[in-house]
Amino acid sequence: DTEVTQTPKHLVMGMTNKKSLKCEQHMGHRAMYWYKQKAKKPPELMFVYSYEKLSINESVPSRFSPECPNSSLLNLHLHALQPEDSALYLCASSPRQVETEAFFGQGTRLTVV
Amino acid sequence: AQSVAQPEDQVNVAEGNPLTVKCTYSVSGNPYLFWYVQYPNRGLQFLLKYITGDNLVKGSYGFEAEFNKSQTSFHLKKPSALVSDSALYFCAVRDMTRGSTLGRLYFGRGTQLTVWP
Repeated sequence: DTEVTQTPKHLVMGMTNKKSLKCEQHMGHRAMYWYKQKAKKPPELMFVYSYEKLSINESVPSRFSPECPNSSLLNLHLHALQPEDSALYLCASSPRQVETEAFFGQGTRLTVV
Repeated sequence: AQSVAQPEDQVNVAEGNPLTVKCTYSVSGNPYLFWYVQYPNRGLQFLLKYITGDNLVKGSYGFEAEFNKSQTSFHLKKPSALVSDSALYFCAVRDMTRGSTLGRLYFGRGTQLTVWP
């Protein structure tokens, strides 16, 4: 299994809603990532988890709250988002070895209304 | 600091013709370089990588890339383009800064490839 699975594929939420994005991988990777991507732009790193511990937070607003309940799962909890947070949210995973590529999920297309 | 540059926002090529998507890098130490492709509303798919060894790297879907240390380039190539190759292409470099063991990726801005019939 070489897949990173993200759910849901599409999400529309109001600015007062609370929702969560989910990411799952079964490749035994111990590094997992959240990226935000605007149209026609490169992915922007948000968070990195290493061995289920948050290692990097790229100064992301607190309305985004990551969680890594176990080595296979990564969540992104959303609360009080703004319309400018609308984007494609990508999850990725990789082994700790830097020579290997990162595997990306298909993404969640988030629209904040 | 690690970085890559993709000088072209858009590359257009006729089907059957060879294609090149350009990437240059700036790293301290040996570069770990990657190419990814993204189709509309999809995640990134890995194409190929250069870590060490032969300068010509072969990857998925008939793509290859040539690592050139003197020109600090890692251009993506394909001998004969297909309409289905039309997509957004990203070059990326791993952060190999001393003390960084997570190997985070730094992406270029992307190049939109359009192959017309």
